[in-house]
Amino acid sequence: QVHLMESGGGFIKPGESLRLSCIASGFTFSDHYMAWIRQTPGKGLEWLSYINTNGRSIYYADSVRGRVTISRDDAKNSLYLQMNSLRAEDTAVYYCARGGKSSLKDFDYWGQGTLVTVSS
Amino acid sequence: EIVMTQSPGTLSVSPGERATLSCRASQTISSNLAWYQQKPGQAPRLLIYDASTRAPGIPARFSGSGSGTGFTLTISSLQSEDFAVYYCQQYDYYYTFGQGTKLQVK
Repeated sequence: QVHLMESGGGFIKPGESLRLSCIASGFTFSDHYMAWIRQTPGKGLEWLSYINTNGRSIYYADSVRGRVTISRDDAKNSLYLQMNSLRAEDTAVYYCARGGKSSLKDFDYWGQGTLVTVSS
Repeated sequence: EIVMTQSPGTLSVSPGERATLSCRASQTISSNLAWYQQKPGQAPRLLIYDASTRAPGIPARFSGSGSGTGFTLTISSLQSEDFAVYYCQQYDYYYTFGQGTKLQVK
């Protein structure tokens, strides 16, 4: 049974950094593209970044490029999102999601999300 | 950026009836579209991909259609567990989501 679980969210001040983690189980993690998506009441669902199976193909949304870094550790079945220079508008629930084996189209499994609140 | 626009924002339908939800892309996306269901406090759940293919385990009452810029999600006979928010998502050029349609009990 596929399971994704995010952690690392919390309450932080503007300008600070945070690292989100996502641990996967129930499937061969190294076989899949993985992504981070966030959700806010105002902007809805927003794709942030994805990483391919060997970690060499990485893409970011314009809204976060230069401030976030996605990475993976297949030995630990884990996906990460390092977020720097956080702003109030980064307040959201952050989800990790699974993509396909040879490409990323839809997101077939999602974690339960971790809430990040950026406020002074 | 490809903008996805869903309509209506809220749809009120009685259990057992049919629900039809719409999604429009700001430019053609072929059939590169997915639909998700989200219930309060839960993550989105994939229902449909490639515009019309049901994801594993999704009941046959869910169907998707359309291509190009116009897409439809139809739920043929609403069950109590179907009342939720539905999102479309394009993957023709990066990934963007619609703002959602809330399906509520009439």
